[in-house]
Amino acid sequence: ETGVTQSPTHLIKTRGQQVTLRCSSQSGHNTVSWYQQALGQGPQFIFQYYREEENGRGNFPPRFSGLQFPNYSSELNVNALELDDSALYLCASSLVSGGETQYFGPGTRLLVL
Amino acid sequence: EDQVTQSPEALRLQEGESSSLNCSYTVSGLRGLFWYRQDPGKGPEFLFTLYSAGEEKEKERLKATLTKKESFLHITAPKPEDSATYLCAVEGDDKIIFGKGTRLHILP
Repeated sequence: ETGVTQSPTHLIKTRGQQVTLRCSSQSGHNTVSWYQQALGQGPQFIFQYYREEENGRGNFPPRFSGLQFPNYSSELNVNALELDDSALYLCASSLVSGGETQYFGPGTRLLVL
Repeated sequence: EDQVTQSPEALRLQEGESSSLNCSYTVSGLRGLFWYRQDPGKGPEFLFTLYSAGEEKEKERLKATLTKKESFLHITAPKPEDSATYLCAVEGDDKIIFGKGTRLHILP
């Protein structure tokens, strides 16, 4: 059984650019959630995908968007990057949506200059 | 408003000195409360899931308990390798909220 993996591990972008982060779910998991974690803060919920449909969203603007693919892997896209988007982006997968334990990947560290 | 508050923000203990971390929460429709451990620069590592008041779970030196308003993570005779940030999260009707965490440092 493989765990949650994310790519890339680190990324540097400039303000105004667009970025795509990728996540592979743990084997057998059909739900993926994305989080943003600023330094010294807890993770903040961006959105969740269940069977390729968005299934809940936090207080993030529409320039944060996502996709889930038939194999349950997922992408997080951020358009028009701002300096405050610099953070650790975490992906977590779970067996089903709702009340199930989420298992996290190692994260992607994004720096926006 | 749904929220999660963890205390203390930071805690320094001597090796072997037991203590408890607190997670107070307000959420509509609690589906689960989760404890994670996070090492610097890494993703959170799952520790426990609790679903109802009165529930308790144990793993090695850690024990998590849950009431209707708060959860405690008890650490018994900690070792330096228990040093990490401990995160609490609650899942409500349609979202998951994390606390800011407690930074635990165990001195040898």
